Amino acid sequence: DADVTQTPRNRITKTGKRIMLECSQTKGHDRMYWYRQDPGLGLRLIYYSFDVKDINKGEISDGYSVSRQAQAKFSLSLESAIPNQTALYFCATSPGQSNQPQHFGDGTRLSIL
Amino acid sequence: AQSVTQPDIHITVSEGASLELRCNYSYGATPYLFWYVQSPGQGLQLLLKYFSGDTLVQGIKGFEAEFKRSQSSFNLRKPSVHWSDAAEYFCAVGGGTGGFKTIFGAGTRLFVKA
Repeated sequence: DADVTQTPRNRITKTGKRIMLECSQTKGHDRMYWYRQDPGLGLRLIYYSFDVKDINKGEISDGYSVSRQAQAKFSLSLESAIPNQTALYFCATSPGQSNQPQHFGDGTRLSIL
Repeated sequence: AQSVTQPDIHITVSEGASLELRCNYSYGATPYLFWYVQSPGQGLQLLLKYFSGDTLVQGIKGFEAEFKRSQSSFNLRKPSVHWSDAAEYFCAVGGGTGGFKTIFGAGTRLFVKA
């Protein structure tokens, strides 16, 4: 089983819809992250959480919200999806110590029409 | 501010040839450096990391990288490329304080020709 699981893997939806992407991990890591990947731009950080009570905005948080339901679960919501949020979204985790490598899920491909 | 530059958007090499992917970073203190690989339909997988010590680090799948402080570079190398190495490669940089975030480069896509 994957250590970091993202659901769904693919989603096509319409402008204005509310979307939730889910991430769960079995690695026991405190830190969790949400990124989006766009061609030529690499990965950009949307939100990150260093523990259940600590949630922080990343560089591109506008239009997104998150919820850290438990140490193992971190969900990303698009309250009212727009076409320029079409992208590949990744969840990642890392241990509590600073600067340890991150472990990634396989991504969610989101298309907004 | 932290930044990472991967000058090559894509590179094509012949199977069996050597490979070098370039990475330059900007960071005000000693950086923590990473290389990740992304195969189609998958997330990023760590190839190697540099925190301190020996500036030549070995990673998985036969990859190595050399940290050169004077050039602010952390180039990835492999002596002989296999067709299965075709993927996208990301360099990343971070720092040593609490609240740290990783900054990723834009990626270099590697094509391998027979």
